[in-house]
Amino acid sequence: DIQMTQSPSSLSASIGDRVTITCRASQDITNYLAWFQQKPGQAPKSLIYAASRLQSGVTSRFSASGSGTEFSLTIRSLQSEDSGTYYCQQYHDYPRTFGQGTKVEI
Amino acid sequence: QVHLVESGGGVVEPGRSLRLSCAASGFTFSNYAMHWVRQAPGKGLEWVAVVSYSGGNIYYGDSVKGRFTISRNNSENTVYLRMNSLRPEDTAIYYCARDQGFSGYHYPVDSWGQGTLVTVSS
Repeated sequence: DIQMTQSPSSLSASIGDRVTITCRASQDITNYLAWFQQKPGQAPKSLIYAASRLQSGVTSRFSASGSGTEFSLTIRSLQSEDSGTYYCQQYHDYPRTFGQGTKVEI
Repeated sequence: QVHLVESGGGVVEPGRSLRLSCAASGFTFSNYAMHWVRQAPGKGLEWVAVVSYSGGNIYYGDSVKGRFTISRNNSENTVYLRMNSLRPEDTAIYYCARDQGFSGYHYPVDSWGQGTLVTVSS
């Protein structure tokens, strides 16, 4: 199975900050990587697919990049509504695997 | 818009069975692969299973293989998860999610239901 490792596990930032979360795959997944946001008590929300493409309706304050085994998600000008846990997931192969999550506190 | 509503969760004893349902609306259900993803209390997301648009391709996560069965009824716009031989570690919120593609290969999930809670306890 492909292992996905996120860092950091948690971070604390202020309104207006720029934050970056990284995700590393245990093998080459080309660009078959998605990012999800989950707020407490809510279902996950799809943010990014194909490593860097925004899902429809997602604010452009989110951006992402990477290919192969190294990926990152950046939130520009952090807002209070961005608090939550962020997960990466590879969809290169089955079983699809998630990173362990990064909790963002504001 | 895409609307997914899970049902069928509840409290069940270890070793028993349960069937979850996910009713879909707002899109042409028969054109998309569908997934189940779960989340144990206080834990991260775990992918469970996928069924392709026609039901012809199915994959399972290692922890549920041989115990869970995913299926779909395109005439009823519903995807199911039959869970047998349930264990306490299967306790989780189970989410239904839509794939962006039809085959289940190399397309991501783009929409999620609100989830249904399954508690396995004696």
